[in-house]
Amino acid sequence: GNSVTQMEGPVTLSEEAFLTINCTYTATGYPSLFWYVQYPGEGLQLLLKATKADDKGSNKGFEATYRKETTSFHLEKGSVQVSDSAVYFCALSDPSGGSYIPTFGRGTSLIVHP
Amino acid sequence: DAGVIQSPRHEVTEMGQEVTLRCKPISGHDYLFWYRQTMMRGLELLIYFNNNVPIDDSGMPEDRFSAKMPNASFSTLKIQPSEPRDSAVYFCASSFLIIDSTDTQYFGPGTRLTVL
Repeated sequence: GNSVTQMEGPVTLSEEAFLTINCTYTATGYPSLFWYVQYPGEGLQLLLKATKADDKGSNKGFEATYRKETTSFHLEKGSVQVSDSAVYFCALSDPSGGSYIPTFGRGTSLIVHP
Repeated sequence: DAGVIQSPRHEVTEMGQEVTLRCKPISGHDYLFWYRQTMMRGLELLIYFNNNVPIDDSGMPEDRFSAKMPNASFSTLKIQPSEPRDSAVYFCASSFLIIDSTDTQYFGPGTRLTVL
């Protein structure tokens, strides 16, 4: 079946530090990959996505590259801000199993200190 | 559009009581999802609907849980009777007709349920 594995949090950084949150996946087919972000007290919202190998999704300074050879979709940001403190979810959608319903990872909490 | 609307935002109840959570999806969306989020289990898909019809309820934990979607603009998730282990944040999400795997979900703000 499909699965998503994320690094456990919390990840604690100082403002302007470099961020990497690791995500690897297992899929039977050729999935689309997503990062969602959940700010405190809110629902999840799409941050970025990529639909094929070597695609790079980007938004709000965050980037992630679809690496088929390593089945990974790591999230990066060059300089984090306090306002980036949130929980980040990696997800995939793989229609080969007959459903487009996404599979979510456990989420990684990011805490950014001033 | 106002986005996915959920009510109430917070619910505190006593064990054994009935709890009803409500959701209004984004107008025009064909799919509606109910999720539960806890520290122990993360984000779990409970059930989803397509055009108001339940498609997969395999994530519903027990018969105490039930969900309905009487029309395209309203859905409920009911827990009867509630138990302390049901305490969690419940999210509703909606999406357009999923014709390819790039479609995304739009989440509501969630209902934080506490069962004493």
